[in-house]
Amino acid sequence: DGGITQSPKYLFRKEGQNVTLSCEQNLNHDAMYWYRQDPGQGLRLIYYSQIVNDFQKGDIAEGYSVSREKKESFPLTVTSAQKNPTAFYLCASSVPGQSNQPQHFGDGTRLSIL
Amino acid sequence: RKEVEQDPGPFNVPEGATVAFNCTYSNSASQSFFWYRQDCRKEPKLLMSVYSSGNEDGRFTAQLNRASQYISLLIRDSKLSDSATYLCVVNQKGGYQKVTFGTGTKLQVIP
Repeated sequence: DGGITQSPKYLFRKEGQNVTLSCEQNLNHDAMYWYRQDPGQGLRLIYYSQIVNDFQKGDIAEGYSVSREKKESFPLTVTSAQKNPTAFYLCASSVPGQSNQPQHFGDGTRLSIL
Repeated sequence: RKEVEQDPGPFNVPEGATVAFNCTYSNSASQSFFWYRQDCRKEPKLLMSVYSSGNEDGRFTAQLNRASQYISLLIRDSKLSDSATYLCVVNQKGGYQKVTFGTGTKLQVIP
């Protein structure tokens, strides 16, 4: 079955530590996205990538970094510069440039501070 | 004004009731519209796209009113399993698929 796989499901970060969240898709989508969701709030865009080796900052990129070396993979690193990282992180993919195509989501990673 | 606005609810309705949610958007250039369902502590899942002429999928009906810049979702014969948060999503045209999510409307169907 085609889909988006995020891992791990739960992640704990110590102060001053960088952590990386994995996102893999086999939908053959060129575009991939990372969102953050805080309790009672909507999704906020962290980074997006329309094609391999290219990515752009979203609305809340500070304290995060990404790479897009392969079409299938779009890992997100939460750096120690992100002072409030506790949130639900969602990865999504879509067909780029076609606004009538919906985004498809992975099942998310919950990140907490130890 | 937020780009996409929804009443957060909660809407508490009895089983079998009909319930409707609205979602307003501010950008008249918005191209595509969707309703997603999000269960507690889970990822959003696509419920249905919203077409200009309105569309129906079983008990669910979606409508678009471009003149007033809102979309609606109607759920008939509510089931307990319909309890969830319903997210309105608006896509804008462009090389980058700019997607804006509403904060969601919470529905609780009561036995």
